[in-house]
Amino acid sequence: GAVVSQHPSWVICKSGTSVKIECRSLDFQATTMFWYRQFPKQSLMLMATSNEGSKATYEQGVEKDKFLINHASLTLSTLTVTSAHPEDSSFYICSARAGQNYNEQFFGPGTRLTVL
Amino acid sequence: AQSVTQPDIHITVSEGASLELRCNYSYGATPYLFWYVQSPGQGLQLLLKYFSGDTLVQGIKGFEAEFKRSQSSFNLRKPSVHWSDAAEYFCAVGATNAGKSTFGDGTTLTVKP
Repeated sequence: GAVVSQHPSWVICKSGTSVKIECRSLDFQATTMFWYRQFPKQSLMLMATSNEGSKATYEQGVEKDKFLINHASLTLSTLTVTSAHPEDSSFYICSARAGQNYNEQFFGPGTRLTVL
Repeated sequence: AQSVTQPDIHITVSEGASLELRCNYSYGATPYLFWYVQSPGQGLQLLLKYFSGDTLVQGIKGFEAEFKRSQSSFNLRKPSVHWSDAAEYFCAVGATNAGKSTFGDGTTLTVKP
């Protein structure tokens, strides 16, 4: 099956610093990747849709200057949390879709971000 | 706009008992429907999906779900629950072209010995 990895699996940083999270599709080319945020015991909230080679589409209420998304290749998307604050602490999950007409998403294992 | 409702926040069943997790959706066209399972601190694993065809779909780990258009439901079932099934379960509906999915709030399953 299709495998999606995320790195790092967890990260602790100081308030005001920036953190980059990588999402990779290991055995397929992902035309579209999605970034989700999940608070404890809550559902996944879609943050943005990332298409290779183009700007990400952000969901309403998500600050694009705060959460920078880059999808430079068909196997890699990155999410950078800029000037992180404690309220940005969360579980970030990416998913990847293999093709335009293929609706199934393959999820990464998630990244736990803790901002002190 | 698409939406998903999982009416049960928390369900407790005894090991070996049957299980049904409810999911109701709202979507203007034929939906793509999914059930995922999430263990603590982990990503999501796809249990099964419905795109078209047979309304009773079989998934991994002995799970099945039935799509009922008249009830806008896609309930997940398992005839005999194992302790390892304890986890968070999410129902999701996907748009046919956009690819992105909307998730329900999840149901936490606890399995009693």
